[in-house]
Amino acid sequence: EVQLVESGGGLVTPGGSLRLSCVASGLNFNTAWMSWVRQAPGYGLEWVGRIKSKVQGGTTEYAAPVRGRFTISRDDSENTIFLQMNSLKNEDTAVYYCTTADAVPLNWGQGTLVTVSS
Amino acid sequence: DIQMTQSPSSLSASVGDRVTITCRASQGIRNDLGWYQQKPGEAPKRLIYAASTLQSGVPSRFSGSGSGTDFTLTISSLQPEDFATYYCLQHNNYPPTFGQGTRLEIK
Repeated sequence: EVQLVESGGGLVTPGGSLRLSCVASGLNFNTAWMSWVRQAPGYGLEWVGRIKSKVQGGTTEYAAPVRGRFTISRDDSENTIFLQMNSLKNEDTAVYYCTTADAVPLNWGQGTLVTVSS
Repeated sequence: DIQMTQSPSSLSASVGDRVTITCRASQGIRNDLGWYQQKPGEAPKRLIYAASTLQSGVPSRFSGSGSGTDFTLTISSLQPEDFATYYCLQHNNYPPTFGQGTRLEIK
């Protein structure tokens, strides 16, 4: 059974930084593409970005609202992906979910809440 | 980006009703579409992928159809556990984009 566990959320002031982690188990992490999806309180789902497996280049793609501020990375030795979030804005407040990056993601973590507020 | 227009945004129905939710893409996406169910405080759950393929373990009262720009999710006979919010997702073009959601409420 695939399990994804996010951590690192919390309260941060506008302009600040935060790093989220997602530990995966139950899958061949070395070949897995992984994504982040977010959901602002009371709103819908928004794709944030994706990282390919290192075998396929480990390249990343980002949604326009976060491009240049957010960075996704991975540590295959720890079965973990990260979301480094810089220059945070109020509108980045959301639950951030880690998912497998299949076409229609099957596996999701429980989410971690990021609140950007002064 | 491809825009996904989902309708209705909310819907009241009774147990046993047949319900249809639609999603329209701003351009053709073949059958590169999935449907999710989300309950409060939970992560989304995949119901359908490739527009019409039922996820293993999902009850057969759920079905999906469509291709190109117009898609539907149908629940043939609503059960109490089906009251939730439903989202479509296209993955034909990057970035993947979701519909705005349909909140299904008990009448």
